[in-house]
Amino acid sequence: EPEVTQTPSHQVTQMGQEVILRCVPISNHLYFYWYRQILGQKVEFLVSFYNNEISEKSEIFDDQFSVERPDGSNFTLKIRSTKLEDSAMYFCASKSSPSQYFGPGTRLTVL
Amino acid sequence: AQKVTQAQTEISVVEKEDVTLDCVYETRDTTYYLFWYKQPPSGELVFLIRRNSFDEQNEISGRYSWNFQKSTSSFNFTITASQVVDSAVYFCALSEAKGGGTSYGKLTFGQGTILTVHP
Repeated sequence: EPEVTQTPSHQVTQMGQEVILRCVPISNHLYFYWYRQILGQKVEFLVSFYNNEISEKSEIFDDQFSVERPDGSNFTLKIRSTKLEDSAMYFCASKSSPSQYFGPGTRLTVL
Repeated sequence: AQKVTQAQTEISVVEKEDVTLDCVYETRDTTYYLFWYKQPPSGELVFLIRRNSFDEQNEISGRYSWNFQKSTSSFNFTITASQVVDSAVYFCALSEAKGGGTSYGKLTFGQGTILTVHP
């Protein structure tokens, strides 16, 4: 069964460093999403991406964040200068219809 | 704005008990979708069910059942004869529909309910 994959599973970085989180959505899906979950809290929407552009973004998704679909398979989330409060689990999701399917997540730890 | 409330932070039951997880939502959209996801200790989010706002028929899938009541803006989830493997965090989520009801927007999640099933 096709699934969303994410790499790495765990990323440790120093405050101020750039990180790129990678996702491979399910191949025939057209809509892509990033969510984050701070430890012990709810899952929060960051950004949605369709037809090679951002379709919606939350107030969390500021200028430090960017997304890209560099080729036909990968979907990346870049954080330019990480802060301590960026430590969280980041989930990628994709959908065609009817439901969003999530990847296993990348746990980002900012020291 | 969309909002999902799961008032039960934690529930603890003994195996074979039935348990109901509550979910109340708010939206101004007339067409929307409701979901339940399971997050086991391993951390991934597992899709359980999707319901659209036009379909209030209750659904049963094995030991799982869902009660959607538009009049009370609730979408409750019942596990019958709970098992230890049901221990997880359960999230209710809501999305609006765009594009003639065939597209789905962002998911708005509730805070989650931690379910612990003891042997």
